[in-house]
Amino acid sequence: DSGVTQTPKHLITATGQRVTLRCSPRSGDLSVYWYQQSLDQGLQFLIQYYNGEERAKGNILERFSAQQFPDLHSELNLSSLELGDSALYFCASSVVSNTDTQYFGPGTRLTVL
Amino acid sequence: DAKTTQPNSMESNEEEPVHLPCNHSTISGTDYIHWYRQLPSQGPEYVIHGLTSNVNNRMASLAIAEDRKSSTLILHRATLRDAAVYYCILASGGKLIFGQGTELSVKP
Repeated sequence: DSGVTQTPKHLITATGQRVTLRCSPRSGDLSVYWYQQSLDQGLQFLIQYYNGEERAKGNILERFSAQQFPDLHSELNLSSLELGDSALYFCASSVVSNTDTQYFGPGTRLTVL
Repeated sequence: DAKTTQPNSMESNEEEPVHLPCNHSTISGTDYIHWYRQLPSQGPEYVIHGLTSNVNNRMASLAIAEDRKSSTLILHRATLRDAAVYYCILASGGKLIFGQGTELSVKP
C-alpha cells in the first residue's frame, strides 16, 4: 500500500459525458501527478500540481483539466469523453517534486462506451 | 525530454541474479536515473534511483556507467514476485517520462 488513494476504482460511462477522478496523496506529500496508461500509448504523464499550483504539464488534452485543493487532494476532470479516453488513470504523489520518489495509487479504470 | 532504451523482454530463473540494462545516451547533467516497476494490475512502484554513483537498497542495486550513458538494474536473487515490467526513466523537472519498459518473467 503506497498511501495514495484513488476513487473510484472503476468507472463506466458513455461518449460525450464528463467524469471526475479523485486522488488523495500520501500524508505530507505536496506534489500530485496524474498519468494515463492505455494499451497503445503506454504510461503518459499528464500534469503535476505542487501545493495547489500547476507545476508541469505533459500530454494533457484540452478536454481534460485538474486541480489541487487546499487539503492537497486532487481531481482530474475529463469532459466530452471519447472512446479513446478509455484507460487506466494513475495518480502519484511526492514530498516536493523533481527527483523525489513518486508513490503511485492503484489507479482508476475508465471505460467509455 | 531525454529518452531511454530497454529490451522489450527478459527471462530469468528463480533465485538467480538479473541484470536489466538501460541506455540513455542523451542524458543531461541534471537528469536522475530512476527505476520503477509495475506488477500486473497495479500502479508503478519505485525501485531505486541515482545520479552518478552506484546505489544499493533493500530491493536492488543500480550500476551507473562512468559516462552516465547507460545503467543496469540488478536484482540479486529473482523471485516469482519480481515478475513485472521494469521502467528505466530519466527524471528532470518533476515529470517521469515512461518508455516501453522491460517485461521480466521469472521461471521457477
